Amino acid sequence: IAGITQAPTSQILAAGRRMTLRCTQDMRHNAMYWYRQDLGLGLRLIHYSNTAGTTGKGEVPDGYSVSRANTDDFPLTLASAVPSQTSVYFCASSDTPQVPLYGYTFGSGTRLTVV
Amino acid sequence: ILNVEQSPQSLHVQEGDSTNFTCSFPSSNFYALHWYRWETAKSPEALFVMTLNGDEKKKGRISATLNTKEGYSYLYIKGSQPEDSATYLCAPHSGNTPLVFGKGTRLSVIA
Repeated sequence: IAGITQAPTSQILAAGRRMTLRCTQDMRHNAMYWYRQDLGLGLRLIHYSNTAGTTGKGEVPDGYSVSRANTDDFPLTLASAVPSQTSVYFCASSDTPQVPLYGYTFGSGTRLTVV
Repeated sequence: ILNVEQSPQSLHVQEGDSTNFTCSFPSSNFYALHWYRWETAKSPEALFVMTLNGDEKKKGRISATLNTKEGYSYLYIKGSQPEDSATYLCAPHSGNTPLVFGKGTRLSVIA
């Protein structure tokens, strides 16, 4: 089934540890995004990539890094996790970074708890 | 960062009632307005992408209108059903920058 696969589904992580959240899409979408969902704050953009080989910072990029080596994969890395990074993380993609007529496709999310 | 306002924050309606909510956004540098439906424990799903002033879109009992000059969009649900219970997000789009989502309107439909 075409779509976005995120892994892991959930994770409990000790503070200070490094972690990579994986995101893979099979729709050949050019643009990919990472959002975090926080109670009362909605979805906030962490990083994005308009096309393979390029990345950009969103609203809340500190403590996170991304890479886009190819079209399909867009991993999100927490270099040294802190409790404030406890959240649900959603990866999304769109066929174009401009006006995607069908909107964004979202993955099922990764629930991360930093203790 | 775009300022996107959605109202009301939450809404409870009886099954069969019709309802509507509002999304307000900056009218400058406007490219498109997205609406998403987000059920609890699931992922957001795109409902509509609207680009033109006066645009109206419809999917079943759900419809949306767009006013780009004054910077608002309405989402309407006719004859609400329990399965319509979800959070409805709007997000304006300006050029190559990613979507900035509003905080959503949480709809609960009581049977």
